[in-house]
Amino acid sequence: DGGITQSPKYLFRKEGQNVTLSCEQNLNHDAMYWYRQDPGQGLRLIYYSQIVNDFQKGDIAEGYSVSREKKESFPLTVTSAQKNPTAFYLCASSITETGGYGYTFGSGTRLTVV
Amino acid sequence: GESVGLHLPTLSVQEGDNSIINCAYSNSASDYFIWYKQESGKGPQFIIDIRSNMDKRQGQRVTVLLNKTVKHLSLQIAATQPGDSAVYFCAEIPWGAGNMLTFGGGTRLMVKP
Repeated sequence: DGGITQSPKYLFRKEGQNVTLSCEQNLNHDAMYWYRQDPGQGLRLIYYSQIVNDFQKGDIAEGYSVSREKKESFPLTVTSAQKNPTAFYLCASSITETGGYGYTFGSGTRLTVV
Repeated sequence: GESVGLHLPTLSVQEGDNSIINCAYSNSASDYFIWYKQESGKGPQFIIDIRSNMDKRQGQRVTVLLNKTVKHLSLQIAATQPGDSAVYFCAEIPWGAGNMLTFGGGTRLMVKP
């Protein structure tokens, strides 16, 4: 079955630690996205990538980094510079052709700072 | 794509009643709209979409209405069930934005048994 997989489902980070969230898709989608969702709030775009080896900052990129070395993979690193990283992180993928097509979302990673 | 960082409004309905969830969009050039459903602790799932050359589109128990004059989108759920309890997001693609979605702030639907 084609889909998008995020791991781990739950992640705990100590203060000052970097952590990496995994996102893998086998949908052959060119574009991938990372969103942050705080409790009771909407989705905020962190980074996105529309092609391998290229990515763009979203609205809240500070304290985060990404890489896109393979089409299937778009890992997100939450660095120690992110002052309030506790949130639900969602990865999504899509085709890039203009015309209107939805995103496929992963099931999310809940990150908690301890 | 950006979303509003505000706490979600809540719509509470009785099981079996119809639900109407509203969304105002800002870009009059948007030509594609989607509704997503997000259950607690899960990723959003596609419900229904509509293009700007349509006013209405129906799915199974769901209908999306588009009013371009007032830039308003609504999702109607018939005979609401407890399993419909979730957060519902609208999203739009402005013309010329490729396939970049802009998400609305979301509405929490609570179904009372």
